[in-house]
Amino acid sequence: DGGITQSPKYLFRKEGQNVTLSCEQNLNHDAMYWYRQDPGQGLRLIYYSQIVNDFQKGDIAEGYSVSREKKESFPLTVTSAQKNPTAFYLCASSTGGLGDTQYFGPGTRLTVL
Amino acid sequence: EDKVVQSPLSLVVHEGDTVTLNCSYEVTNFRSLLWYKQEKKAPTFLFMLTSSGIEKKSGRLSSILDKKELFSILNITATQTGDSAVYLCAVFRYNQGGKLIFGQGTELSVKP
Repeated sequence: DGGITQSPKYLFRKEGQNVTLSCEQNLNHDAMYWYRQDPGQGLRLIYYSQIVNDFQKGDIAEGYSVSREKKESFPLTVTSAQKNPTAFYLCASSTGGLGDTQYFGPGTRLTVL
Repeated sequence: EDKVVQSPLSLVVHEGDTVTLNCSYEVTNFRSLLWYKQEKKAPTFLFMLTSSGIEKKSGRLSSILDKKELFSILNITATQTGDSAVYLCAVFRYNQGGKLIFGQGTELSVKP
């Protein structure tokens, strides 16, 4: 089946630890995205990548890092510099181009204790 | 600053009611407007609108875009409990690589 997978579904970490969230897609999409969703708020863009080995900061990139070494993978690291990391993280992908649709993975709920 | 505003933020209706969800936007380099449905997990795609005045329909759901007034509505007729979800509106802006700008979402609760 084609789709986007994220793992793990739930993640608990102690304050001060870095944590990496996985996102894999087998849709052959060029573009991939990471969003953060907090209660009562819409999705906010953290990082995005239009092509392998290239990525750009979104609106709230501070405290996060990404890599795009393979077309199908776009992992997100939440570093200890992120002041309020507890949130629901969504990964998405699209074919790229103008006005195209983004398809989302199931999300990872990160709780920092 | 680009923004997308949805209203109402939450809505409670009974099965069989018709609802209208609103989305207004102020976004430079507008390309398209998208509606998603989110049920406690990944948002699922509903519609993409690029032209004014052309209604898109899928079953009991329909949506239309007004590019002059910078506005879109999502209608759901004969609501069912399975329609309970957060409905997200997003505008695709093609600028500096392009990205989606999301509204806050409307939380719809349909009571039996």
